[in-house]
Amino acid sequence: DIQMTQSPSSLSASVGDRVTITCRASQSISNYVNWYQQEPGRAPKLLIYAASSLQGGVSSRFSGSGSGTDFTLTISGLQPEDFATYYCQQSFSTPFTFGPGTKLDI
Amino acid sequence: EVQLLESGGGLVQPGGSLRLSCAASGFTFNNYAMHWVRQAPGKGLEWVSGISGSGNVKYYAAFVKGRSTISKDNSKNTLYLHMNSLSPEDTAVYYCAKDRQTLVTMGNWFDTWGQGTLVSVSS
Repeated sequence: DIQMTQSPSSLSASVGDRVTITCRASQSISNYVNWYQQEPGRAPKLLIYAASSLQGGVSSRFSGSGSGTDFTLTISGLQPEDFATYYCQQSFSTPFTFGPGTKLDI
Repeated sequence: EVQLLESGGGLVQPGGSLRLSCAASGFTFNNYAMHWVRQAPGKGLEWVSGISGSGNVKYYAAFVKGRSTISKDNSKNTLYLHMNSLSPEDTAVYYCAKDRQTLVTMGNWFDTWGQGTLVSVSS
């Protein structure tokens, strides 16, 4: 199985900040990484697919990059609604594993 | 509007069984693969199982393989997950999620999620 790791596991930031979350795969997975946001008590929401494509309706504050084993999610100009937990997920092969999550709080 | 609504969760004793359902609307159900993803209390997301749009091809995570069955009734626009031999480690919110494509294959993503249904396994 492909293992996904994320760093940091938690992150404190302020409104207006720019933050970057890193995701690493245990083997090369091309650009087959997706990013999800989960607010407390809510279902996950797709933000970025195929490493760098923005899902429709998602703010352009969110951007993704990377290929191979190393990927990043960047949030520019943090807004109050961005404080949530973020997960990367590989779609290279089953089982479609998720990273452990990065909790972003104030 | 694409919507997914899970049901069937609840309290079950260790060793028991449960069938989860996910009612879909707003899209052509048989054109899309579907998945179950779970989240234990306070933990991260864990992919459980996926099924192709036709319902003919199924995949399972190792921790449920052999004791769970995913199925899809395209005439009822409903996804199911039947789980047997439940243990406390199966306690989680179970989400159904829509795939962006018909097949469970590389390059997929989960573009719509239900609100989840809680399964609690305890004596």
